Amino acid sequence: DTAVSQTPKYLVTQMGNDKSIKCEQNLGHDTMYWYKQDSKKFLKIMFSYNNKELIINETVPNRFSPKSPDKAHLNLHINSLELGDSAVYFCASSQVWSPGSSGANVLTFGAGSRLTVL
Amino acid sequence: AQSVTQLDSHVSVSEGTPVLLRCNYSSSYSPSLFWYVQHPNKGLQLLLKYTSAATLVKGINGFEAEFKKSETSFHLTKPSAHMSDAAEYFCVVTSYSGAGSYQLTFGKGTKLSVIP
Repeated sequence: DTAVSQTPKYLVTQMGNDKSIKCEQNLGHDTMYWYKQDSKKFLKIMFSYNNKELIINETVPNRFSPKSPDKAHLNLHINSLELGDSAVYFCASSQVWSPGSSGANVLTFGAGSRLTVL
Repeated sequence: AQSVTQLDSHVSVSEGTPVLLRCNYSSSYSPSLFWYVQHPNKGLQLLLKYTSAATLVKGINGFEAEFKKSETSFHLTKPSAHMSDAAEYFCVVTSYSGAGSYQLTFGKGTKLSVIP
């Protein structure tokens, strides 16, 4: 009964390969996110989807392509992997995408997917 | 525009002594503020949140934080550190950023070490 689950947990691959990370949430949330955490623990938002629509697309190489088949899923596909893509990728979800007194924008995170590019 | 600054990248305390993790923010609109904790090799977990209600917010595991608008601060405290508190802590601010958009910003994190 995990709230936000992402697979795989670990991924080791060669430079130039294409790989995907999947994320699913069973919280009924409208909004999902992908974050990248580098070796210094710095968290950077990559994408956010609200009800399957892209609402945040930060400056991320176009080798990264998110796909949201429905509001419970947000997958991340990465083409032509590079050494610098090595990081931990976190999926998250929130009830809605708007700050407010309800705190409905509290993020629930998955456990992370550690990607190592050799 | 908004930003969040965690003033210390690393804080070390002895077990049983108080914890203070500092966070300052800037925002053009009324913000919501959060603290998240990340234990080694784990995802992030919400500790507490401020969303324009009481300025002193109590969270899980004995942590609390006080929103001080005049100082633009949201420092995290705990009266007595426990070994299990050793982790990375992130301060987060969200607010309206104009033109129908909202922004969510993470601080760079503070690593808390607890010495036995």
